[in-house]
Amino acid sequence: DTGVSQDPRHKITKRGQNVTFRCDPISEHNRLYWYRQTLGQGPEFLTYFQNEAQLEKSRLLSDRFSAERPKGSFSTLEIQRTEQGDSAMYLCASSRGRYEAFFGQGTRLTVV
Amino acid sequence: KQEVTQIPAALSVPEGENLVLNCSFTDSAIYNLQWFRQDPGKGLTSLLLIQSSQREQTSGRLNASLDKSSGRSTLYIAASQPGDSATYLCAVRKEGGSEKLVFGKGTKLTVNP
Repeated sequence: DTGVSQDPRHKITKRGQNVTFRCDPISEHNRLYWYRQTLGQGPEFLTYFQNEAQLEKSRLLSDRFSAERPKGSFSTLEIQRTEQGDSAMYLCASSRGRYEAFFGQGTRLTVV
Repeated sequence: KQEVTQIPAALSVPEGENLVLNCSFTDSAIYNLQWFRQDPGKGLTSLLLIQSSQREQTSGRLNASLDKSSGRSTLYIAASQPGDSATYLCAVRKEGGSEKLVFGKGTKLTVNP
C-alpha cells in the first residue's frame, strides 16, 4: 500500500522533552500538510509544504514547533519543550495539487 | 474567517435506514469540499471530493451534494450498516489564498444492528 505513513503511531513523553514525528506522503504528491486534532474537534491546520518549500503556517504553530520537508519527500514535525496542552493527535496529509487530500493514521501524543 | 458546522453532532439509527448528514459553511468562495470518515483513534479516510463547479458526487451507497451559493453540503448514506458507524467530517478549501482545509467538528454516527 502506498498511502500516507506516519511514525510513531503513539508517543508518550514527559513535559519539557522534545519529540519528533515523521510523515511519508504518497510518492507522487507534491503537497504535504500537518494538522492537529483534539478530542471532539475537527482537525486544525498547522502547516503546508509544496515540494520542499513551507508556504503556509498557522498561528497555532508556536515557536516551539518546527516542520521540515527536505528534498520534498518525507516531512518531520518537531515539538520542543512539550507542554500538556500539546497532547493531541497529529495528522499528516498529502495531495497532488489542490485535489483530494489523503490522510495518514496519525500520531497520538500524550504529554505527562 | 471560514466556519464549518455539522448537524447533528450525533445520530443513532437502526440498520437499513437511509440517512442524511449536513454540513454548512459561512464563506461560499470555496474551491472544493471533501467528506471524510474517521474511526475512533484512527486517521481520516477520504470518502468523496466535490469541486465547486459540481453539484454532486456518488460512490457506492454514498452521495454527496453541494449547494455552493447557500453554503451547504449533504452526505446521503443509503441502506446503512453497522460498519458505517464512525464520525463523518466535512472540510472545505478556499477558492484562493490559503491552501488549508477547514473542518467541521463532525457527526458521530451509530448504526444499530
